[in-house]
Amino acid sequence: KNQVEQSPQSLIILEGKNCTLQCNYTVSPFSNLRWYKQDTGRGPVSLTIMTFSENTKSNGRYTATLDADTKQSSLHITASQLSDSASYICVVSPFSGGYNKLIFGAGTRLAVHP
Amino acid sequence: DTAVSQTPKYLVTQMGNDKSIKCEQNLGHDTMYWYKQDSKKFLKIMFSYNNKELIINETVPNRFSPKSPDKAHLNLHINSLELGDSAVYFCASSHPDRAYEQYFGPGTRLTVT
Repeated sequence: KNQVEQSPQSLIILEGKNCTLQCNYTVSPFSNLRWYKQDTGRGPVSLTIMTFSENTKSNGRYTATLDADTKQSSLHITASQLSDSASYICVVSPFSGGYNKLIFGAGTRLAVHP
Repeated sequence: DTAVSQTPKYLVTQMGNDKSIKCEQNLGHDTMYWYKQDSKKFLKIMFSYNNKELIINETVPNRFSPKSPDKAHLNLHINSLELGDSAVYFCASSHPDRAYEQYFGPGTRLTVT
């Protein structure tokens, strides 16, 4: 079982609608949690980063939340646009004390339709 | 002014061949990484180099050999390619004390036939 689980696997929404993607993790202790956006055929690009003490972080229409007690994070996208169509990957960085190795979720593939 | 670049973007080759993928970053980072993204889309780290020295070597067949001629370059050489090597390979870089903030290249899609 992967240490970072994301749901749903895929999601289709209409342009202008909101959506929320979920991430559950078992990595403990952890240093920080990031959400990446990966467009088709491109490398992941960071959207938000939160340390274990932060509850929420926004980046434009993207808002990430973190509940360190339940080990859950969510990424909320408001007023979706066609360009939001991509995979969204939750990434947890263990607090290993040395060189951190990122642990990736499998991602949620979002399709925004006109 | 691409930050992390990889070449080639696509690579199609036959089983048994030897191939290389190149990676360059112009961010001034000391640490570089190679990841493999399989068909299930999981990104798994393969190698990490800090200032030309190997610091992470996950359980990767020794057919894979990274080479870092300088801290701005990390190339991946693969010998005796197998069907299971087909995947997208991503290069990334970061400051050594900010390994959680990695910048990724565009990926190289390797297809072994």
